[in-house]
Amino acid sequence: NAGVTQTPKFRVLKTGQSMTLLCAQDMNHEYMYWYRQDPGMGLRLIHYSVGEGTTAKGEVPDGYNVSRLKKQNFLLGLESAAPSQTSVYFCASRPGAGEQFFGPGTRLTVL
Amino acid sequence: AQSVAQPEDQVNVAEGNPLTVKCTYSVSGNPYLFWYVQYPNRGLQFLLKYITGDNLVKGSYGFEAEFNKSQTSFHLKKPSALVSDSALYFCAVSPGTSGTYKYIFGTGTRLKVLA
Repeated sequence: NAGVTQTPKFRVLKTGQSMTLLCAQDMNHEYMYWYRQDPGMGLRLIHYSVGEGTTAKGEVPDGYNVSRLKKQNFLLGLESAAPSQTSVYFCASRPGAGEQFFGPGTRLTVL
Repeated sequence: AQSVAQPEDQVNVAEGNPLTVKCTYSVSGNPYLFWYVQYPNRGLQFLLKYITGDNLVKGSYGFEAEFNKSQTSFHLKKPSALVSDSALYFCAVSPGTSGTYKYIFGTGTRLKVLA
């Protein structure tokens, strides 16, 4: 099993550009999450999904959109990137009321 | 408001000495509690969890944690630190009530084990 994978690993954008981050898991987990990690702030939840076709807002959803068309994939979109979205983005999944499994992260820089 | 606090940004300990990384929480209901470790340029790795049962939980790499309901704490411990334990540690809490899917993470504690 590959676990949770994220594509791409690194990306540099200019202000106003758009992009999509892909998260894939092969563990048949129902729940998937997108977080951003910034120095001194821990992990902040952007959006999450409790199953295929469902999404919900987390703590910091503004400027991001998500889709979960297939159970194994959870996409995070930035429609118009801003420097404040420079961060490391982590995807996670979990099967039920247990621990989350994290991907390796995507380091995004917005100039 | 529900929250998790890791009061120390950094903990320094000599190799071979016991270590403690502190975590306190404020959530409703019976929480599920977790510890994760993050090595440089990596994702978070699960260490251990408390859901119910024995208050002392043992996890990976010789780590353990004690759930203290009266003090609302879930401190991470290890009897003898290794240099390779140096990393960023996160405490996380899920309220544990039905229909609650979110986890609340602390801001992290950097552990530095000195040779």
